Amino acid sequence: EAQVTQNPRYLITVTGKKLTVTCSQNMNHEYMSWYRQDPGLGLRQIYYSMNVEVTDKGDVPEGYKVSRKEKRNFPLILESPSPNQTSLYFCASSYPTSPYNEQFFGPGTRLTVL
Amino acid sequence: AQSVAQPEDQVNVAEGNPLTVKCTYSVSGNPYLFWYVQYPNRGLQFLLKYITGDNLVKGSYGFEAEFNKSQTSFHLKKPSALVSDSALYFCAVRDPQNSGYSTLTFGKGTMLLVSP
Repeated sequence: EAQVTQNPRYLITVTGKKLTVTCSQNMNHEYMSWYRQDPGLGLRQIYYSMNVEVTDKGDVPEGYKVSRKEKRNFPLILESPSPNQTSLYFCASSYPTSPYNEQFFGPGTRLTVL
Repeated sequence: AQSVAQPEDQVNVAEGNPLTVKCTYSVSGNPYLFWYVQYPNRGLQFLLKYITGDNLVKGSYGFEAEFNKSQTSFHLKKPSALVSDSALYFCAVRDPQNSGYSTLTFGKGTMLLVSP
């Protein structure tokens, strides 16, 4: 089944404790992206990647890191999480060959930073 | 900069009645427009998109959307609502002439509640 998977689905952590949220897709998509969803704000893009070893900042990159060493994986790293990073996070992927291709979303990761 | 507005936080409709979820956009070039739906505890699912051509676009689950360039709108519609349509709906825009395929800008979302 074609899908985007994220782990963990739920995470409660404390301020300053480094964490990684994994994202993997099995559709051979070149483009991958991370979003955060907050009430009243919709989805905001954190980082995106056009291909392996190519990443760029989205609208709200502060406090996050990403890496793209393999085409299928795009982990989101929070080096020192803070309470304002409590949010619902979505990973997405798509073919990048055209800007009109829709994105496929993972099931989400609900992160709480105490 | 591109932007999307969904003026209604919530839309209430009775089952069997037509529904409309509103979306307006702002881009400097020609827009690519998308609608996504989010069911509880799920990721977003693609519904439909407008790229070019016919202003009326048909998508999944009986939904359609009408692109109106003069009003910069892309409202989502369905002739007869189902209770199972109750979900959070997001409109999104991409301006390929200015941001390429890097940034997809989402609206804040509209909660659709269909009553039996």
